[in-house]
Amino acid sequence: AQTVTQSQPEMSVQEAETVTLSCTYDTSESNYYLFWYKQPPSRQMILVIRQEAYKQQNATENRFSVNFQKAAKSFSLKISDSQLGDTAMYFCAFMKHDSWGKLQFGAGTQVVVTP
Amino acid sequence: DARVTQTPRHKVTEMGQEVTMRCQPILGHNTVFWYRQTMMQGLELLAYFRNRAPLDDSGMPKDRFSAEMPDATLATLKIQPSEPRDSAVYFCASGLVSLSGETQYFGPGTRLLVL
Repeated sequence: AQTVTQSQPEMSVQEAETVTLSCTYDTSESNYYLFWYKQPPSRQMILVIRQEAYKQQNATENRFSVNFQKAAKSFSLKISDSQLGDTAMYFCAFMKHDSWGKLQFGAGTQVVVTP
Repeated sequence: DARVTQTPRHKVTEMGQEVTMRCQPILGHNTVFWYRQTMMQGLELLAYFRNRAPLDDSGMPKDRFSAEMPDATLATLKIQPSEPRDSAVYFCASGLVSLSGETQYFGPGTRLLVL
């Protein structure tokens, strides 16, 4: 079974600064997908970024980028130039290659961006 | 702008009553997922369907919960009878999933309170 661990329950960052969220996972699979989802106070779950395990290049989406370390089973999210609208709960999620889309989520990290 | 829709957005009911939550997946998506989110348990996968057929409902309490897809544009999650411990936010998500994996898009959720 896979487990996804987010060890930081809450992080605070000032506007325009950078924050990095950690995520580790445990799997024996070699082919899988990793995601970061954002959940603002509205409760809507929003996809932030996705990474295929077979790709060595780290995914980037505007101010969001990941540091994917497959051997270490680590998948951190960096938010650059933080904005007030980035305040949200961030969930790391794992999907096995042949699981028909079944996601396993971490417990989440609450990010608070302060002026 | 295609999106997953869920109704109702909020529901307050009394213990013992039947609750039906509805989801309209994004047109063309072949997989629908039901999740429950609570403070204690985080995000839990309850059930999911591919091409309207149930793939896995092992996360769902069978005695009181049922999930169906009467057609490709409607998924339902029913609780009968409801209990206070069912109070949670219920999310529907859809995706165009294959064996190579894909991305899920979430609806806004139904916030359920059972008194």
